[in-house]
Amino acid sequence: DAGVIQSPRHEVTEMGQEVTLRCKPISGHDYLFWYRQTMMRGLELLIYFNNNVPIDDSGMPEDRFSAKMPNASFSTLKIQPSEPRDSAVYFCASSLGTADQPQHFGDGTRLSIL
Amino acid sequence: DQQVKQNSPSLSVQEGRISILNCDYTNSMFDYFLWYKKYPAEGPTFLISISSIKDKNEDGRFTVFLNKSAKHLSLHIVPSQPGDSAVYFCAASGGGSNYKLTFGKGTLLTVNP
Repeated sequence: DAGVIQSPRHEVTEMGQEVTLRCKPISGHDYLFWYRQTMMRGLELLIYFNNNVPIDDSGMPEDRFSAKMPNASFSTLKIQPSEPRDSAVYFCASSLGTADQPQHFGDGTRLSIL
Repeated sequence: DQQVKQNSPSLSVQEGRISILNCDYTNSMFDYFLWYKKYPAEGPTFLISISSIKDKNEDGRFTVFLNKSAKHLSLHIVPSQPGDSAVYFCAASGGGSNYKLTFGKGTLLTVNP
């Protein structure tokens, strides 16, 4: 079975540019999560979806960040405009629809904003 | 304000010995706890979990202990193997319809041959 697939694996771009991160969850999983990992703050939940609907976006740092899930097999996290402090590793995870089901993570996108 | 704390950034043990990783939490609403393992350049991988109605859960070489009164959990790895060398994250959720996971900052475990 394919796991959670994220692209790109690495992204280097200049400040002010738009960045789009992509995620394909595990087939059949109805929950999708976006996390950010930094040295200072560790792994933080940004937003999660249930059946393609955003449920909790309280972790999204500011309006420059937006996430969409147009269908059950695809989600994007967009940063516009990007800033150097957005540099981090961004993870996507998916899970089945009960709290005792573990979240399965992709291998992340390492984002560097110059 | 860290609700899940892993106070040891790193731990080094000899192969064959026991590894004990610790985690403390402050939110009494947490009722489901998980451990994840992470290798460099990969995403976290689920290892083992425990519900607050239990105080122990075992899976092969891995055992998680939960002390609710102390708001403390620990992961025991016996015997430790070099392939266990990784960063271990403790995570907690409120259970029910609350799917949000709160993670600790991780402990780097090194198992020396």
